[in-house]
Order: sequence, then C-alpha cells, then structure tokens
Amino acid sequence: SAVISQKPSRDICQRGTSLTIQCQVDSQVTMMFWYRQQPGQSLTLIATANQGSEATYESGFVIDKFPISRPNLTFSTLTVSNMSPEDSSIYLCSVGEGPYEQYFGPGTRLTVT
Amino acid sequence: DQQVKQNSPSLSVQEGRISILNCDYTNSMFDYFLWYKKYPAEGPTFLISISSIKDKNEDGRFTVFLNKSAKHLSLHIVPSQPGDSAVYFCAASAGNTPLVFGKGTRLSVIA
Repeated sequence: SAVISQKPSRDICQRGTSLTIQCQVDSQVTMMFWYRQQPGQSLTLIATANQGSEATYESGFVIDKFPISRPNLTFSTLTVSNMSPEDSSIYLCSVGEGPYEQYFGPGTRLTVT
Repeated sequence: DQQVKQNSPSLSVQEGRISILNCDYTNSMFDYFLWYKKYPAEGPTFLISISSIKDKNEDGRFTVFLNKSAKHLSLHIVPSQPGDSAVYFCAASAGNTPLVFGKGTRLSVIA
C-alpha cells in the first residue's frame, strides 16, 4: 500500500483567509482524491485530482472554493478559500487505482475561527 | 438523504467476545462494499471488502456478511481485542462511482 503524508496536520485559521493542504505519496498513483469529514459526519468526496487536467468536483463543491492542483503523479494540493467556521473539518487525501480500496493520508484538522 | 447508514454511533464489547457492526444502504445499484477502520489522528485504513455477488467474506478475525435483499451488511470481529478499539466506517460503491461512506461506529473493546 502507498504511504501518504499530509501537511499541515492541523491548523487554526481566521475567517476569510485561505489554507493550502499538501498531499505527498511515496509512489506514482493515477488517482488522488480529496475528502472532507465534518464533525459527526461521514467522509464526503470533494473532488478527484487528475494529473495534467482539471479536477473533477462532486455535487456541492466548486473550484473557486476548493481549487486543486496535481502537478505530478505523487503530489496534490487542496486549497480551502475564503474560509468560514463551516469549513472546520478534517480534510483527507486518498489514492487508489479506482474507487475501491483507497488508501488515506492522516488528514488535516482545520479549525476556522 | 444518506445512502449508507450506520445507525449505532458507538458500541462497547468485552475483550474476547464478538463485535458486530451494522450498516444499511438504500441504493440497490451498490455492488461493492468496504469497511475501513480509523484510529484518532490517522486516516482510515482499509479493512475488508465484499462484492455483491458474494454473501460472506472472511479475513482472519474479520468477517463481512452481505444480505442484499435486506440491503444490510455487517462486520463481525471475533475475538475482539483492545487494539480493535477505533471508529469503523462502512462504504459502498456502484460500478466505478466514488465511495459513499456512513458516519461511522465507534467501537470500544474493554479489557
């Protein structure tokens, strides 16, 4: 299985600012995914990060709010823009060759005040 | 509308006994089901999966049962160990669509 790291592991940010979360994988992977887990809720897919093309966003998530970069097969970033307290969540990246049996990073715990 | 439901937010079991975690789903198109385990400050880790063509899959102490007619699956852990204490997520997929997760069940195994 792939080893996935995320930076930062946690952050406390002020309303209206932006935070960029990095995801690094120790091997080349085709598909990378970004999830959000709000307090007491399930993991929700934000988008699929495609290498060399724009990310594919799920319903309810837009590029202006969550811009994603995927410059190569081992790295991706997710930016949470113009943050509000409702964005306080754990953000996780994952990798897999498809939707099955994905491997997750440790997550980034974001608190917006 | 939640397509994957884990109705028990928490479960407490004595060490050595069986833990049974339940999951219900509403989408009849789901054809692949997975269980993930999550420790605090870590990402979820894949535990076991089952295809809709099967009704049981076993891996060591972990067995997943699928009842398609009831749209229900369960994860059995026997014997339960203190290291099994974690949050367990049920997830499902239809074809090649993204995984849909439940809200998780926190399992506490008491020594």
